[in-house]
Amino acid sequence: QSALTQPASVSGSPGQSITISCTGTSSDVGSYNLVSWYQQHPGKAPKLMIYEGSKRPSGVSNRFSGSKSGNTASLTISGLQAEDEADYYCCSYAGSSTFGVVFGGGTKLTVL
Amino acid sequence: EVQLVESGGVVVQPGGSLRLSCAASGFTFDDYTMHWVRQAPGKGLEWVSLISWDGGSTYYADSVKGRFTISRDNSKNSLYLQMNSLRTEDTALYYCAKDDGGATTVTTRYYFDYWGQGTLVTVSS
Repeated sequence: QSALTQPASVSGSPGQSITISCTGTSSDVGSYNLVSWYQQHPGKAPKLMIYEGSKRPSGVSNRFSGSKSGNTASLTISGLQAEDEADYYCCSYAGSSTFGVVFGGGTKLTVL
Repeated sequence: EVQLVESGGVVVQPGGSLRLSCAASGFTFDDYTMHWVRQAPGKGLEWVSLISWDGGSTYYADSVKGRFTISRDNSKNSLYLQMNSLRTEDTALYYCAKDDGGATTVTTRYYFDYWGQGTLVTVSS
């Protein structure tokens, strides 16, 4: 099962919006509404930010939003803040290839 | 408060074996699917395995299939990963992660709402 494709890095200034893409295939991202996104600060465990494509867990800022079009999912962060600087990973159910999940390679977000 | 505490990570030689444990608290353990996810040093996340709430279903990434075995003891609120025939590429921080699905939702939901802090496995001669 191949990893999902994310850009290695994105950047933005405080207050701006950025979008991180996550491209899979018709066997994973394209077939299921089971994409999730995780934020990971250095030396910390990942934190769930978005699940089932666009749902936010309790306690996650509404500046974070998720969407999907075809085989590509996206995470948008609006009103960038310094504390948003972190690595972000997308994840999707992988279907019958493993009956598990597949992650993207991760995107380093730099807040300028 | 949900807590997941991994243990068992050590330095082991290639070809060796190791068993990781994850102690869970703060939720009804036997209601939920559980996963192991790993992260090699400086690299991204890689899903390793999952086990259903009752232990009746287990699935593995191709990279560990036939070498790793996931299990759980619901009476002890514990998750395990038996790792055999270890390779240098298995070197990673191993996280225990809770799925938000299981017995109450009937199905695994394939996202991780809680993570432990990880236990480091180093495979080296």
